[in-house]
Amino acid sequence: AQTVTQSQPEMSVQEAETVTLSCTYDTSESDYYLFWYKQPPSRQMILVIRQEAYKQQNATENRFSVNFQKAAKSFSLKISDSQLGDAAMYFCAYSGGSTLGRLYFGRGTQLTVWP
Amino acid sequence: EAGVVQSPRYKIIEKKQPVAFWCNPISGHNTLYWYLQNLGQGPELLIRYENEEAVDDSQLPKDRFSAERLKGVDSTLKIQPAELGDSAVYLCASSLDPAPGLAGEGTGELFFGEGSRLTVL
Repeated sequence: AQTVTQSQPEMSVQEAETVTLSCTYDTSESDYYLFWYKQPPSRQMILVIRQEAYKQQNATENRFSVNFQKAAKSFSLKISDSQLGDAAMYFCAYSGGSTLGRLYFGRGTQLTVWP
Repeated sequence: EAGVVQSPRYKIIEKKQPVAFWCNPISGHNTLYWYLQNLGQGPELLIRYENEEAVDDSQLPKDRFSAERLKGVDSTLKIQPAELGDSAVYLCASSLDPAPGLAGEGTGELFFGEGSRLTVL
């Protein structure tokens, strides 16, 4: 089964600074998709950014960008100019191969943003 | 456009009692998911529906859990009887495309509801 590992249970960042959340995954597939989801205290999960494995270019969504290292099976999320509203639990997720359409989630990283 | 709606948001029951959760997906979304989220962990898939067909239920504990999606729209997840270890948040999600890359430019994005928090005493 595919596994997704987030080695940072908690991270903190000062407002306006940059923070990077780490994620590694294990798969034998060549075609897959990676996601970062945000879960604020209200519990509703929201997609932050997605990356297709066949694309070499790293995905970017405004202040959010990823560093996708396919050979290393690494998929980190960088948040620039952090805002108080960025505080949440962030989950890395994988979908691919024979289980395409099913998301496998990591355990999450709790991000705190200090004013 | 309304998002994924779940009810109830909170439910407290005693062990061995039955409980049911309801989910209304985003209009037009053919794929529906039920995920289980234990405290401090990421969601884990219980069951996935393509329209009214359950296409992935390998993680659903079928001795006590059941689910249905009548007419391919709303879905109900039932636990009977509930056990202490069932205390968790039950998340429903829906998506327009069955999977990213299929049926054209699928995004693979899942839209989640707010979840139903179950406490079993």
